[in-house]
Amino acid sequence: QQPVQSPQAVILREGEDAVINCSSSKALYSVHWYRQKHGEAPVFLMILLKGGEQKGHEKISASFNEKKQQSSLYLTASQLSYSGTYFCGTEWDSGAGSYQLTFGKGTKLSVIP
Amino acid sequence: DTGVSQDPRHKITKRGQNVTFRCDPISEHNRLYWYRQTLGQGPEFLTYFQNEAQLEKSRLLSDRFSAERPKGSFSTLEIQRTEQGDSAMYLCASSAILGETQYFGPGTRLLVL
Repeated sequence: QQPVQSPQAVILREGEDAVINCSSSKALYSVHWYRQKHGEAPVFLMILLKGGEQKGHEKISASFNEKKQQSSLYLTASQLSYSGTYFCGTEWDSGAGSYQLTFGKGTKLSVIP
Repeated sequence: DTGVSQDPRHKITKRGQNVTFRCDPISEHNRLYWYRQTLGQGPEFLTYFQNEAQLEKSRLLSDRFSAERPKGSFSTLEIQRTEQGDSAMYLCASSAILGETQYFGPGTRLLVL
């Protein structure tokens, strides 16, 4: 039930764009995206709900394809501060209306000058 | 600071000892979650509460683990007879309602010697 993220790692130069993908075998209720820097807690980026619209803020946006149970995170004109590990968390009905958030293994993004 | 707080931030213990961690969620959040994260992995769901009721426990959670949220506010996670495999970052998160953002605390890093 763990979502699969790709790529596992990516290196960008400042100003380049990146796409991180997240796919699940479950019928999803929502997809959550987080960024975690080494030794710190995950920081919320955005949430996409079933039936909702593409979300975004600043130069980071995301989409959710409900038919394919896939989400993509788009980072444009990357900055050094974007470096970190990006996790998608997928929320699905684990039974009797109980929803769990299950995280992928993460995508390590490194932005270099 | 009105974010999620966790105490202690670091804990070193000897195998076989009991440890207890505390989490204080964002005050108006009635849902509280515990996760465990090991190096190179995403957070793994352990359990969650809605108010004082523990609604779900992961199959990963052995009998040595117990969590409480006695008054629907702060929560404690206790690990009895710690094992070296328990070494990990223990993260707490809270959210207002289902499908809403989960905000993570800074985590408690446990090292079992």
